[in-house]
Amino acid sequence: GAGVSQSPRYKVAKRGQDVALRCDPISGHVSLFWYQQALGQGPEFLTYFQNEAQLDKSGLPSDRFFAERPEGSVSTLKIQRTQQEDSAVYLCASSLSDSTGYSNQPQHFGDGTRLSIL
Amino acid sequence: AQKITQTQPGMFVQEKEAVTLDCTYDTSDPSYGLFWYKQPSSGEMIFLIYQGSYDQQNATEGRYSLNFQKARKSANLVISASQLGDSAMYFCAMRGNQGGKLIFGQGTELSVKP
Repeated sequence: GAGVSQSPRYKVAKRGQDVALRCDPISGHVSLFWYQQALGQGPEFLTYFQNEAQLDKSGLPSDRFFAERPEGSVSTLKIQRTQQEDSAVYLCASSLSDSTGYSNQPQHFGDGTRLSIL
Repeated sequence: AQKITQTQPGMFVQEKEAVTLDCTYDTSDPSYGLFWYKQPSSGEMIFLIYQGSYDQQNATEGRYSLNFQKARKSANLVISASQLGDSAMYFCAMRGNQGGKLIFGQGTELSVKP
């Protein structure tokens, strides 16, 4: 498809397990973002890639969270030793523009992965 | 620090009427962009409209328009001729000129009544 694709759509894990969430951005999009959306809240920024370079990871809540985009296309968000507070929807977005300067390019979002930690 | 405030947790509007969703923002960046997204119950985030801080005219996109008042730091979304399919959460977001991340507000849940 032409949009941002995220998998799995739903993930249930037991506390302490590791999980990996995948994002396949729109072809040709330079920038890729991960956001976390708690129930009833707006999305909150986690991390940002420009091609394969992770330029901003200031939003990652702890060192249990790790993201990569090794070839500048598909990205994986990994959460180690999951905890109940990690339960949320994880949204991936991609954009044509890079982070330099002022740009009107919108971010296009995937449908998200709903993560539930039991 | 950048911040987006949406003070209306929920709004109701009659079908075919217009509705305004409020958004105020705070930033020290000289240039920035403001975005509105729609999130139906199915969960996807749908881009609606964009306003740049240096744009002279208010943005419009079909039934969506943005009432941008820079001095007041507000960027309200106006939806004209509401339709039942407009029922959803609406998020206002801002991007500064340092990095591409979006800062989102808490959202407004719009319900359109038949």
